[in-house]
Amino acid sequence: AQTVTQSQPEMSVQEAETVTLSCTYDTSESDYYLFWYKQPPSRQMILVIRQEAYKQQNATENRFSVNFQKAAKSFSLKISDSQLGDAAMYFCALYSGAGSYQLTFGKGTKLSVIP
Amino acid sequence: ETGVTQTPRHLVMGMTNKKSLKCEQHLGHNAMYWYKQSAKKPLELMFVYNFKEQTENNSVPSRFSPECPNSSHLFLHLHTLQPEDSALYLCASSRLSGQGYTEAFFGQGTRLTVV
Repeated sequence: AQTVTQSQPEMSVQEAETVTLSCTYDTSESDYYLFWYKQPPSRQMILVIRQEAYKQQNATENRFSVNFQKAAKSFSLKISDSQLGDAAMYFCALYSGAGSYQLTFGKGTKLSVIP
Repeated sequence: ETGVTQTPRHLVMGMTNKKSLKCEQHLGHNAMYWYKQSAKKPLELMFVYNFKEQTENNSVPSRFSPECPNSSHLFLHLHTLQPEDSALYLCASSRLSGQGYTEAFFGQGTRLTVV
C-alpha cells in the first residue's frame, strides 16, 4: 500500500513572502509520480506541479517549486512571492504504477495568505 | 475548465431515492476515477476504471454502483444512501501510455446531501 502524509493541517504566509508545505510518502515502487494540487473554495482541483521520480532535477513552475528528496521520500512545495489567489487547500498526491492506476492523496494543508 | 465535466453540481436526495452522478471527459484519457471528499477525511478513492474495465474497488458499499460504458463517460449510481454519504464527489481522468503517466484532471465535483 502507498501512503502520503501532510503533517501541516494549516499554514499562513504574508503576501509576497515565501512558504513551504511539507509532504512525505511511502511506496515500494521504483517508478512513480508526485503531484501538488490546489483546491480553492470553488472546489476545482487544479494541478500545481508534477515530479517524475526518475528525474533528479526539482520541478519548477513559475513561483512554485519542489524539493524532491527521493531517499528521504520527501516532496515539499515552495511558493515564492505569495499572492492572495494562492489561498487554498493544497494536496500532495502519489501515483505509482504496477497497473493499478491508484492516485493517493494526503489530507491536505490549508494555506491562508495575509494581506 | 479542465476538460472533465460533472453533473449535477449539487444534489439533495432522500435515503430512499435513486439518483446518478455523471462524469464526461474528451481528453483522450484511458483511466477514470471516482473520489469521495468529506469534511474531516482525506480524499478517498472509490473506483478506478481503465479502458472501461474496473481495476479498483476500495471496499465501497454496494449502495454505490459505478458504470463506465466507454472511456469518455463514467457514472455513479446511488441508491438507499445514508446521511454519512453526504460529501463532495469528484471525478477525475488521466492517461497512462508508453510515454508515462499524465496527471489527473478533475471535474468540479457534485455536492451531495442525503436527507
